[in-house]
Amino acid sequence: GAVVSQHPSRVICKSGTSVKIECRSLDFQATTMFWYRQFPKQSLMLMATSNEGSKATYEQGVEKDKFLINHASLTLSTLTVTSAHPEDSSFYICSARGLNHNEQFFGPGTRLTVL
Amino acid sequence: GQNIDQPTEMTATEGAIVQINCTYQTSGFNGLFWYQQHAGEAPTFLSYNVLDGLEEKGRFSSFLSRSKGYSYLLLKELQMKDSASYLCAVRDSYSGAGSYQLTFGKGTKLSVIP
Repeated sequence: GAVVSQHPSRVICKSGTSVKIECRSLDFQATTMFWYRQFPKQSLMLMATSNEGSKATYEQGVEKDKFLINHASLTLSTLTVTSAHPEDSSFYICSARGLNHNEQFFGPGTRLTVL
Repeated sequence: GQNIDQPTEMTATEGAIVQINCTYQTSGFNGLFWYQQHAGEAPTFLSYNVLDGLEEKGRFSSFLSRSKGYSYLLLKELQMKDSASYLCAVRDSYSGAGSYQLTFGKGTKLSVIP
């Protein structure tokens, strides 16, 4: 299957700082990338959908000015958590889908802890 | 919108068969997926159904009935490594965001005991 990488796998930061998470499709062109957030013992909640070269579409309740998403190329999307607070601590997972794929391929996730 | 229900937890014995059910009510439907997720890891794809019937893949099978809004994942010859959460996810119809979106159920935590 196709491979999606995420970096970093873990990050600990102070409250008020910004954190950037990268999501890369390694062996296919990801026309669409999805960003999810998962709190402990909860399901994956879709935050936003992004198509290469266009603005991301955010789900209701997700602040687009706080969670900046850039999908500048067919293999890279970034999520920047701006002015992070402890309540933003979560497991952030990206997934990607190519033009001819039915399924979404998930990255390994990034564990964010805001102190 | 989408509403997806699956049991919170299940326990089964090594070597046995277990069936995890999923029911959904959706405003649009373009396929149902099952994913396996081990604690602290991202989900991995198990199966995809878009037409009614059974899809078999080794020890795993998945069934779909669109008229009933129902699916199940069947795991045979259970192994200890099958202990994980199993997520049912429904794909919307075209969302206008340029792509279809997956909505996930809360997952069923399966514990396999010796």
